[in-house]
Amino acid sequence: EAAVTQSPRNKVTVTGGNVTLSCRQTNSHNYMYWYRQDTGHGLRLIHYSYGAGNLQIGDVPDGYKATRTTQEDFFLLLELASPSQTSLYFCASSDGGSAETLYFGSGTRLTVL
Amino acid sequence: QQQVRQSPQSLTVWEGGTTVLTCSYEDSTFNYFPWYQQFPGEGPALLISILSVSDKKEDGRFTTFFNKREKKLSLHIIDSQPGDSATYFCAASAPYAQGLTFGLGTRVSVFP
Repeated sequence: EAAVTQSPRNKVTVTGGNVTLSCRQTNSHNYMYWYRQDTGHGLRLIHYSYGAGNLQIGDVPDGYKATRTTQEDFFLLLELASPSQTSLYFCASSDGGSAETLYFGSGTRLTVL
Repeated sequence: QQQVRQSPQSLTVWEGGTTVLTCSYEDSTFNYFPWYQQFPGEGPALLISILSVSDKKEDGRFTTFFNKREKKLSLHIIDSQPGDSATYFCAASAPYAQGLTFGLGTRVSVFP
């Protein structure tokens, strides 16, 4: 079964802080995604990647960087965290293509004070 | 502007009843429509999906209907169980697009 692991599970930081969220998938999938989930906004795509070294911009990329170091590992970076980035972040992977199933991790809850 | 609109926001159903969730969309290039189920503390997981070439897909107690002319889809859950209590998201994607556009979700509570 597909496996996507996110860490940490919870993170608290202060405004202006530097945060890295990690995601590892063991599905041998080409595509990985970062979404944020907020009440009243649903799930919104931040960045995605179709392979190591590749990065594509999603729908809400402002304030976020991401890096895909290997096929398995995808990181989301908040270099100057702001309270508006307090959210539940999900990583997902898929085999590619627009009609492929997304396999989600369990999420990281980030609080920016 | 929300490209995928979902209703209702929340819904309460008695055990054994039928749950009906609806979505509408704007982008006529959307051709793939999955429904994801999310339990508290977990990530969403695919429940059922349909392509725009079909008008109905069934999987056990779950059925999704698609109306291309009206740009609407729905999810029906028959014989609802307390274990079906979750948040349900409809989503959509276009050919050659990546990622999914999600609705805001419907929180379903099934009481015994």
